[in-house]
Amino acid sequence: DVKVTQSSRYLVKRTGEKVFLECVQDMDHENMFWYRQDPGLGLRLIYFSYDVKMKEKGDIPEGYSVSREKKERFSLILESASTNQTSMYLCASSPDRGETQYFGPGTRLLVL
Amino acid sequence: GQQLNQSPQSMFIQEGEDVSMNCTSSSIFNTWLWYKQDPGEGPVLLIALYKAGELTSNGRLTAQFGITRKDSFLNISASIPSDVGIYFCAGQGYAGGTSYGKLTFGQGTILTVHP
Repeated sequence: DVKVTQSSRYLVKRTGEKVFLECVQDMDHENMFWYRQDPGLGLRLIYFSYDVKMKEKGDIPEGYSVSREKKERFSLILESASTNQTSMYLCASSPDRGETQYFGPGTRLLVL
Repeated sequence: GQQLNQSPQSMFIQEGEDVSMNCTSSSIFNTWLWYKQDPGEGPVLLIALYKAGELTSNGRLTAQFGITRKDSFLNISASIPSDVGIYFCAGQGYAGGTSYGKLTFGQGTILTVHP
């Protein structure tokens, strides 16, 4: 079975802190994605990566950056957390061009 | 960007009832997908549709890719308590376009099933 793990299930941070969310997949997938999920808005794509060291902006990249130094790991970085970044963050990986995505359990981030 | 409108936003039904939900788009999609998210978990793929008019089943679930390529439907027959969760539609654009590889998700339908 494909396994996508995220470093934390729950996280509480203060405004202005730098936040790292880590995602690891064990199926050698080339493609990885970061979404945020908010009630009534569904899942919105923040960034994605089709290869190591490669990244592309999604629909809402402002306030975020990403890092993909190894194929299995895709990190989401909040350079200076703000309260409007309080959300559920979901990581996904895909063996194809994003069509079949396998999701991690999510990290619920609260920024105070 | 592309937008998907999913309805209804929520449903409260009795066990044994059938459920229908749908998604409409302002743009054409090449692929339609339906995901389910259990409480506290990430979404899991239920059904993938690749061709206009296609009707695909997965157990009690049936989904259809609309003829216009701008809509999709999901039906759940004889609902059971474990059907509870959030159901998302997602669309993927044509290969070669800037939207290739990216999924656009609907807002989700929250399903509650009363025993």
